[in-house]
Amino acid sequence: QSALTQPASVSGSPGQSITISCTGTGSDVGGYHYVSWYQHHPGKAPKLMIYGVSNRPSGVSNRFSGSKSGNTASLTISGLQAEDEADYYCSSYTSSSTLVFGGGTKLTVL
Amino acid sequence: QVQLQESGPGLVKPSETLSLTCTVSGYSISSVYYWGWIRQPPGKGLEWIGSIYHSGSTYYNPSLKSRVTISVDTSKNQLSLKLSSVTAADTAVYFCARGAPPGTLDGFDIWGQGTMVTVSS
Repeated sequence: QSALTQPASVSGSPGQSITISCTGTGSDVGGYHYVSWYQHHPGKAPKLMIYGVSNRPSGVSNRFSGSKSGNTASLTISGLQAEDEADYYCSSYTSSSTLVFGGGTKLTVL
Repeated sequence: QVQLQESGPGLVKPSETLSLTCTVSGYSISSVYYWGWIRQPPGKGLEWIGSIYHSGSTYYNPSLKSRVTISVDTSKNQLSLKLSSVTAADTAVYFCARGAPPGTLDGFDIWGQGTMVTVSS
């Protein structure tokens, strides 16, 4: 299975909004409502930010939101803060009953 | 509070079998959750290795399927990973995690801190 496609890097200034895309196929992102997003600070455990395309786990800031259109899912972070600087990964369930991650996106807060 | 802790050798020789254990505390591994293993090679992204349901059903990454075995020991509340015939490409930080929501192969909401495994002679 091929990794989902994410931009290698995105950046934004404090207070701005950014969007990270995650592109797959009809056999994964486009075919199921099981897309998740993770925030990963190096050396720490990844943190689930979004599941089921657009659901936030308890305790996750409402500045984080998820959506999907066709084969592309998106994570939007509004009101960027310095602590948002991290690597972000998407994942999706697939038609083979497996999971696949994206390649990861490094978010830099300028 | 649910906690996961990985343990196992930090160094494995090429061609040997990597064996890791994930001890779950604060929750029964026999519950209606999937449990999984994910790894991250140095400087690279996350890779899903496989998942197991409380019933024992297993799901593996096709690229690793021939070498991977994931199992649970309900008496010890532990999850285990075995990866055979390892090479340097299997050098990575290995994480165990709980699937969420319950009964779905969607996200992973609780993670262990990860354990670094190096494959080298």
